[in-house]
Amino acid sequence: KNQVEQSPQSLIILEGKNCTLQCNYTVSPFSNLRWYKQDTGRGPVSLTIMTFSENTKSNGRYTATLDADTKQSSLHITASQLSDSASYICVVSDRGSTLGRLYFGRGTQLTVWP
Amino acid sequence: EADIYQTPRYLVIGTGKKITLECSQTMGHDKMYWYQQDPGMELHLIHYSYGVNSTEKGDLSSESTVSRIRTEHFPLTLESARPSHTSQYLCASSEGSGEETQYFGPGTRLLVL
Repeated sequence: KNQVEQSPQSLIILEGKNCTLQCNYTVSPFSNLRWYKQDTGRGPVSLTIMTFSENTKSNGRYTATLDADTKQSSLHITASQLSDSASYICVVSDRGSTLGRLYFGRGTQLTVWP
Repeated sequence: EADIYQTPRYLVIGTGKKITLECSQTMGHDKMYWYQQDPGMELHLIHYSYGVNSTEKGDLSSESTVSRIRTEHFPLTLESARPSHTSQYLCASSEGSGEETQYFGPGTRLLVL
């Protein structure tokens, strides 16, 4: 069964600190993995996308890694800001369908305190 | 910032009422999607469309219906709302090239009393 599991479920950190969010998946065949940021009451916004051959991708203070062998990904946030408070969702796409079916994790709810 | 819009943003309605959630995008995307998301849970695909006059049911069974008469417009309708329909509904679109990123609207939070 294709699944995406994220940990931790929630995380509280102080402003300025770094943190790392985890994503494990069983989706096969694998096409790509995306990290989305979803602010409360808003739709998800794409942060990074990685294909099978990529093992790291950065977007400002966000750095995503991918280990396609162990089917694990992480999202590292550097020097956190209050505006980083949001849910971070790992999304994996399978290969071989015209729809490019997406499998969503439940997200990690990050709260950054001043 | 994605040019995809949803109205209303919030809706409180009584059981049995008919409702239509609007979604429009100005990016000329062929593919559009409707997702349902409960608090703390993953998004579930309920409908999608490859283009005009194309609609398909998603993974999660839903009593809602959709239509795609114009490329930019993908409304979702509930003929008779029930409390079990209370949820957040997210609309998304993508270019349709195969490996594309989906762009999401802000969502509609629906509460059925």
